[in-house]
Amino acid sequence: GEDVEQSLFLSVREGDSSVINCTYTDSSSTYLYWYKQEPGAGLQLLTYIFSNMDMKQDQRLTVLLNKKDKHLSLRIADTQTGDSAIYFCAVSSLSGGYNKLIFGAGTRLAVHP
Amino acid sequence: GAVVSQHPSWVICKSGTSVKIECRSLDFQATTMFWYRQFPKQSLMLMATSNEGSKATYEQGVEKDKFLINHASLTLSTLTVTSAHPEDSSFYICSASFPQTSGSTIYFGEGSWLTVV
Repeated sequence: GEDVEQSLFLSVREGDSSVINCTYTDSSSTYLYWYKQEPGAGLQLLTYIFSNMDMKQDQRLTVLLNKKDKHLSLRIADTQTGDSAIYFCAVSSLSGGYNKLIFGAGTRLAVHP
Repeated sequence: GAVVSQHPSWVICKSGTSVKIECRSLDFQATTMFWYRQFPKQSLMLMATSNEGSKATYEQGVEKDKFLINHASLTLSTLTVTSAHPEDSSFYICSASFPQTSGSTIYFGEGSWLTVV
């Protein structure tokens, strides 16, 4: 089945850029998502990209997709302490006629002064 | 604002009892909703796909008689944990596909913390 992998931890200084990486195995994934989860809270959709796109920018967020390498990244510019959270990469996987999401394990982003 | 709402956010129940969690799509119809479970410091695991008007499709290893899913309307899916045990304590979260002109986006509810004592 589909496998999604992320690095588990990232520490950055406030004001620097953060880059969170994700690799996946299903080349037929149509939609690829980034979600943010703060402690004790649900998932917040940050951004998503369609598989026919290479890049998407949304304010401080930049998503890069390399379909050949099945690599997805999320760049957060000017990282703030409020960005400290767990970031999940998720890719759509068609199974049984439904488009399900398969999640990575999440990357814990720690922002320090 | 939220497009998918879950209720309750927190619930504590005694072992052996059943507890129901609701997932509602706000201002849109969701023919398909998804239920996930998240253990502490782990990722989300898909439990089942909830289909309006038909039986849910469960993932391998998920007991369908224990986790009852009912998708009675286009805006509501419910997950009932029957005969709950402490090992069922977890964070349960639902999602629904939000249709858009160029595809669909999946939004999540706020999640429900279940503690079985």
